[in-house]
Amino acid sequence: AQTVTQSQPEMSVQEAETVTLSCTYDTSESDYYLFWYKQPPSRQMILVIRQEAYKQQNATENRFSVNFQKAAKSFSLKISDSQLGDAAMYFCAYRLQGGSEKLVFGKGTKLTVNP
Amino acid sequence: NAGVTQTPKFRILKIGQSMTLQCAQDMNHNYMYWYRQDPGMGLKLIYYSVGAGITDKGEVPNGYNVSRSTTEYFPLRLELAAPSQTSVYFCASSYPSRGGNQPQHFGDGTRLSIL
Repeated sequence: AQTVTQSQPEMSVQEAETVTLSCTYDTSESDYYLFWYKQPPSRQMILVIRQEAYKQQNATENRFSVNFQKAAKSFSLKISDSQLGDAAMYFCAYRLQGGSEKLVFGKGTKLTVNP
Repeated sequence: NAGVTQTPKFRILKIGQSMTLQCAQDMNHNYMYWYRQDPGMGLKLIYYSVGAGITDKGEVPNGYNVSRSTTEYFPLRLELAAPSQTSVYFCASSYPSRGGNQPQHFGDGTRLSIL
């Protein structure tokens, strides 16, 4: 079974600084997708960034980028120029292509942004 | 564009009561999912559906039932509420990936307390 591990229950960063959230996963499959979701106190699940496993190029979305290391099964999220609005729970998720295409989530990292 | 709509947003039940959590999506997505999120944890899959008339169990299906008579609706039924079912419930939907990368769209969640 696939598992996702986020080893940092909490992280903090100063406004305008850069922070990296860690995620590792375990799978024997070769064709899958990885996601980072943001969950603010409003409880919404907001897609931050996604990565296809077959792509070697790391995904970027404005201030958010990932470091995808397929062999190491690592998928970290880097937030540059952190803003107060970035404070939230961040969940790493894995999805196998085909079948149910369910998401398997990590336990999350709570990010605090200090002014 | 409403996306995924969940009702109610909050509910308190007594042990042994029954209720249905409603989920509707207006994006004509084939796939729909129910997840639960316990405090300090990531989301876990309860049930999913890949199309009208087709449902299957996820990781934590005990105590729940689902039906999918139409593409738009995917209600989740709790028959005999138990304190262990106190959680936040999320409904999500997506197109099948089929070589593309179709993210899941989430509703705003239903906070359910069983007392």
